[in-house]
Amino acid sequence: EAGVVQSPRYKIIEKKQPVAFWCNPISGHNTLYWYLQNLGQGPELLIRYENEEAVDDSQLPKDRFSAERLKGVDSTLKIQPAELGDSAVYLCASSLGGGAANTGELFFGEGSRLTVL
Amino acid sequence: LAKTTQPISMDSYEGQEVNITCSHNNIATNDYITWYQQFPSQGPRFIIQGYKTKVTNEVASLFIPADRKSSTLSLPRVSLSDTAVYYCLVGVRGKLIFGQGTELSVKP
Repeated sequence: EAGVVQSPRYKIIEKKQPVAFWCNPISGHNTLYWYLQNLGQGPELLIRYENEEAVDDSQLPKDRFSAERLKGVDSTLKIQPAELGDSAVYLCASSLGGGAANTGELFFGEGSRLTVL
Repeated sequence: LAKTTQPISMDSYEGQEVNITCSHNNIATNDYITWYQQFPSQGPRFIIQGYKTKVTNEVASLFIPADRKSSTLSLPRVSLSDTAVYYCLVGVRGKLIFGQGTELSVKP
C-alpha cells in the first residue's frame, strides 16, 4: 500500500514568488495534517483537515499561506508571496482517526524542502 | 499552551537499553501520548502510543505514571540504526504538540 505522497521533494524560489506543495494521503484516511519543520526543531502543526473541513488552522499564517482539500482527498498548501523565513520542510501526514482527544497514528510523507533565496 | 520537554541529546552504545523521558504537565484527560522516530530527510515514523501504565510492542516500551505528566520511551538493546531523533507527541487541549526532540546517537 502506498504511503503519503508529497511533491515536490525540493523547491528553490526567490522571495516574493509563489509556491505550492501537494499531498496525497493514504487511501481511506479522512484526517490530513500539514506541518512545518525548521532545522533542528520538531514539526509544528499548520492545519488539520477532517475530510474537506479545516478543523484547526489557528497556526496557519493566513496573510500568505492558504490550503485546500478538495473532495476530502488530496491537499495543496500554498505560500504567496514567500519570504526568506519560510525556508523549511513542509510535512504532510494523514490518519484514520483524529478529533480533539485521540491523535491516533499519523503517517507522514517525506516532506517538501523549501529554500527561499 | 504547555510545552513538552525532552533532553536535547543522548548517547548510547550498541546493545544498551535507552530510556528517553518527556514531560507534559498540561496533558488533557482524554489525550494519548505518542512517540515518533525521525531519520534525516524523512518524515517522522510512529513508534508507540499509550494512555496510562505500560505499553509494549516489538520495538519499544512506553511507561506512563499515574499522574500522566510524563512518559518514558524505552528502547531495548539499541543498534547503530536506532540513531535518530525521537519526538514525544501529546494532544493538548485539542492541539497536537511535538516535543523538542531528543537526538539519540548510538555508538559501536
